[in-house]
Amino acid sequence: GENVEQHPSTLSVQEGDSAVIKCTYSDSASNYFPWYKQELGKRPQLIIDIRSNVGEKKDQRIAVTLNKTAKHFSLHITETQPEDSAVYFCAALSNTNAGKSTFGDGTTLTVKP
Amino acid sequence: NAGVTQTPKFQVLKTGQSMTLQCAQDMNHNSMYWYRQDPGMGLRLIYYSASEGTTDKGEVPNGYNVSRLNKREFSLRLESAAPSQTSVYFCASSDRQGQEPLHFGNGTRLTVT
Repeated sequence: GENVEQHPSTLSVQEGDSAVIKCTYSDSASNYFPWYKQELGKRPQLIIDIRSNVGEKKDQRIAVTLNKTAKHFSLHITETQPEDSAVYFCAALSNTNAGKSTFGDGTTLTVKP
Repeated sequence: NAGVTQTPKFQVLKTGQSMTLQCAQDMNHNSMYWYRQDPGMGLRLIYYSASEGTTDKGEVPNGYNVSRLNKREFSLRLESAAPSQTSVYFCASSDRQGQEPLHFGNGTRLTVT
């Protein structure tokens, strides 16, 4: 089955700096890669996603890149703000696997004011 | 739209007791999922239902059963609770199987003593 590894497990940055979180996946059939943000005590919520036919996608301060050959994808947050502090999860899934998402173990991002 | 609604929000059980976690979605999604979240271990799939009338095991199904009551509702049952089942449980749903993000409920925090 699919295996997703996420790094780093914790990340601390100064407000205004950039943050990068990386994930690798093992199943070449995976073709959809969402990223979720989970604030303390809350549910995970989608912040951005990318499909395998696209190499990069941006949404204001957030971007995701995908390298299918290397089987890795990354989340980039620019101009970080204290409200970006949360746990971020990457996931990989394919429509050939009953839609099951395989999650990374999460990255705890702390943005220091 | 309420999205995905889970009940209860909190529950304390004694070892050996049983309970059912309820989940309902009003987005007309076909697929529904139950995850558990433990500290440092990300989200692990317990059971899923790709469509009404079908259920299947995920990564950690032991000690659990599920029922897809209709398209809206997907319940998770613990027949004989164990301390190892202390966790936060999330129900989620998605539209196009494997190609759309998960919509999560607010979670159930379960403690088994």
